[in-house]
Amino acid sequence: EAGVTQFPSHSVIEKGQTVTLRCDPISGHDNLYWYRRVMGKEIKFLLHFVKESKQDESGMPNNRFLAERTGGTYSTLKVQPAELEDSGVYFCASSQEIATGPGTQYFGPGTRLLVL
Amino acid sequence: AQTVTQSQPEMSVQEAETVTLSCTYDTSESDYYLFWYKQPPSRQMILVIRQEAYKQQNATENRFSVNFQKAAKSFSLKISDSQLGDAAMYFCAYRSPEYSGNTPLVFGKGTRLSVIA
Repeated sequence: EAGVTQFPSHSVIEKGQTVTLRCDPISGHDNLYWYRRVMGKEIKFLLHFVKESKQDESGMPNNRFLAERTGGTYSTLKVQPAELEDSGVYFCASSQEIATGPGTQYFGPGTRLLVL
Repeated sequence: AQTVTQSQPEMSVQEAETVTLSCTYDTSESDYYLFWYKQPPSRQMILVIRQEAYKQQNATENRFSVNFQKAAKSFSLKISDSQLGDAAMYFCAYRSPEYSGNTPLVFGKGTRLSVIA
């Protein structure tokens, strides 16, 4: 079974430009999460989709970030316009429907974003 | 809000030896889940072990085991018979129960483990 995949693996852009990150969750996983790790800090939650609906977007830093999950499959995270402080590693994770149990999240390899 | 603290930014262990990574957390919830994730230099983060707070028995997965002290809010990871492939960044994470409506993971800053041959 394929794991969570993310594209691109690296992105270097200039301040003010736009970048779109993509995440393909494990097939059949309704829950999709975006996290971000800024250098030297904790991995921080950004938002959570259940199928195509945004369940929780309390971690989104500002309105320059736009996440979508059309059709409840893959998700994109767009940063427009990018700022220097947006640099970091963006992780995507997916999990099965959470009924009872730990709802283990499976992570992708991350996209390393550098804004110059 | 819940917080997770990993007080050891870096650790090293001799191959075949045992090492313990510490993790403490702060919460007012009685039900929750705790996880250790491993991120090798290739960057794919994988689950090492998980613990449900309602279970008194410490979780074990082969060479990996935890010491879960609920009253002390401590969740340390012990790696026995360390191997070169264990070298990675280790993250401790907390998750609230699903009925709280809050399911994102809360992470510590991580501990970078080096294994010396």
